[in-house]
Amino acid sequence: GQQLNQSPQSMFIQEGEDVSMNCTSSSIFNTWLWYKQDPGEGPVLLIALYKAGELTSNGRLTAQFGITRKDSFLNISASIPSDVGIYFCAGQLWGAQKLVFGQGTRLTINP
Amino acid sequence: EAQVTQNPRYLITVTGKKLTVTCSQNMNHEYMSWYRQDPGLGLRQIYYSMNVEVTDKGDVPEGYKVSRKEKRNFPLILESPSPNQTSLYFCASSLGLDITYEQYFGPGTRLTVT
Repeated sequence: GQQLNQSPQSMFIQEGEDVSMNCTSSSIFNTWLWYKQDPGEGPVLLIALYKAGELTSNGRLTAQFGITRKDSFLNISASIPSDVGIYFCAGQLWGAQKLVFGQGTRLTINP
Repeated sequence: EAQVTQNPRYLITVTGKKLTVTCSQNMNHEYMSWYRQDPGLGLRQIYYSMNVEVTDKGDVPEGYKVSRKEKRNFPLILESPSPNQTSLYFCASSLGLDITYEQYFGPGTRLTVT
């Protein structure tokens, strides 16, 4: 099936550092979503993007919908311990209704 | 509190022993879905339901069954579990199928089949 390539697969950073992760695909998406999964919990929606070029912020998080509609990135500024978890991108293919998920980026923060 | 609940949270079973994982939501959502999460593969959709008595296959439906007899419940059935169904399973619900409706995920069920 259709896959999103999410990178990096894991990150180990120091508290206070900025974080950047991205998703790419060979297909065009008309929606990009970013989720966070805390340990032992289900994913929770962080940011939704609906227009090419759209840049949206949610507190210290910023995400962008790529101009080509084939990629998206998520930035986290000034990381804190509660940012630890797995971050997933998800996209809706043009003309489809279901979501396709990336493989996830596991974020670990050293205090 | 608006939520999606799953039971059990953890389950260890043997090959071939039928099992059911329950999912219930209290938000009157029409759309419900089951995913499995495996390392390196992200979340993959197993089955989804757009309303009572309306279900359809997702990307990885083999070995699974679902039913939607009531709006709030969407159980996942493994008639004859096999070790390759060892995984972390999530149920999700949303107001409708439209992508603009946020999906709410349950806490997950970790299944081990030996």
